[in-house]
Amino acid sequence: DTEVTQTPKHLVMGMTNKKSLKCEQHMGHRAMYWYKQKAKKPPELMFVYSYEKLSINESVPSRFSPECPNSSLLNLHLHALQPEDSALYLCASSKETGAGADTQYFGPGTRLTVL
Amino acid sequence: GDSVTQMEGPVTLSEEAFLTINCTYTATGYPSLFWYVQYPGEGLQLLLKATKADDKGSNKGFEATYRKETTSFHLEKGSVQVSDSAVYFCALSGGYQKVTFGTGTKLQVIP
Repeated sequence: DTEVTQTPKHLVMGMTNKKSLKCEQHMGHRAMYWYKQKAKKPPELMFVYSYEKLSINESVPSRFSPECPNSSLLNLHLHALQPEDSALYLCASSKETGAGADTQYFGPGTRLTVL
Repeated sequence: GDSVTQMEGPVTLSEEAFLTINCTYTATGYPSLFWYVQYPGEGLQLLLKATKADDKGSNKGFEATYRKETTSFHLEKGSVQVSDSAVYFCALSGGYQKVTFGTGTKLQVIP
């Protein structure tokens, strides 16, 4: 089973709202990722968690706040977003073997619209 | 730094035609190479991968061979179907949790 699930599928929020995106995997993977994808572009890495610790933050604005409560769950808390933050937000996970490049498996994404 | 170059799309083919999507890369060391597919309105799905030179990845009739001498990983399929219409991303990973994606190639297959 190589399934990563994400909720919600769609989210519309105002610029003053606080919302959260959720990602879950049960493959025993120890690395989890958040990506942002704009239309007709490849995904852009935002954050990486390795063994529940933040290992990479690609200079993402503080209005995006990641959280990894346990090895299966990854959240992205959103606050005071701008309309240009509207995008598809993808979660991914990988084994984190430490032996080289691990395959990343992606979820279906959350389509976020900021009004 | 690492980079991936894919042929620009869109690529429009008739059903049962032969498909090639070119992909070349620049990387230090020995990266792993991937093809991901993204159907409209969906996330990325791993299509195939290769982890070392001369490896051939294959899945659902698609194939790609890791060519170190030409730094290429071209995607091929002998006979495309309408259901193959999607965006295809070539990608590489040299480790350290980062994946470098190409810009994506949109494939449209017409009946």
